Amino acid sequence: AQSVTQPDIHITVSEGASLELRCNYSYGATPYLFWYVQSPGQGLQLLLKYFSGDTLVQGIKGFEAEFKRSQSSFNLRKPSVHWSDAAEYFCAVGAWDTNAGKSTFGDGTTLTVKP
Amino acid sequence: GAGVSQSPSNKVTEKGKDVELRCDPISGHTALYWYRQSLGQGLEFLIYFQGNSAPDKSGLPSDRFSAERTGGSVSTLTIQRTQQEDSAVYLCASSSTGSGANVLTFGAGSRLTVL
Repeated sequence: AQSVTQPDIHITVSEGASLELRCNYSYGATPYLFWYVQSPGQGLQLLLKYFSGDTLVQGIKGFEAEFKRSQSSFNLRKPSVHWSDAAEYFCAVGAWDTNAGKSTFGDGTTLTVKP
Repeated sequence: GAGVSQSPSNKVTEKGKDVELRCDPISGHTALYWYRQSLGQGLEFLIYFQGNSAPDKSGLPSDRFSAERTGGSVSTLTIQRTQQEDSAVYLCASSSTGSGANVLTFGAGSRLTVL
């Protein structure tokens, strides 16, 4: 069974500082990996995805993530955080089959941005 | 429509009452998913539709939960005899086929409070 672990429940960073959110997954084959962001009262918005190819993927809002198969990780990074980045971030792993959309989500990391 | 629309956005009900939550997916998206997000938790998969059929109902917590989809479009999640532990945000998502099948577009959710 697939699973996702986000070790950090809550992270606080200062505006302008760099950010890294950790994600580890467990999956028996090549995973499809996602990061979603959820602002208060909103649904989840896709930040970026990894299906295959280049292991460093670029997303929206200046975010990037790197797939490291040897570490079963897909950490999210941003070089300089903005106050508007404060939100909850979810890592997810999906399978390329008939249940393609049945992604498994981590419990999320809440990001607070200090002025 | 332009996005995934869910209604009601908020629902407060008394224990033992039945509730219906509605999801209107993006036009042309053949796949539709229901997830549940409890306070401080990640997303819990409930059910997945491909067209009007539900190949995977494995996440429905009990027989009090049911869902249907008609016309390959709108879906209704019904919870009978609601319990306090049903209080959560119910998120609907849809996706297209092919390479987009894994990419979920979420609605803003229906927040259910059972008193």
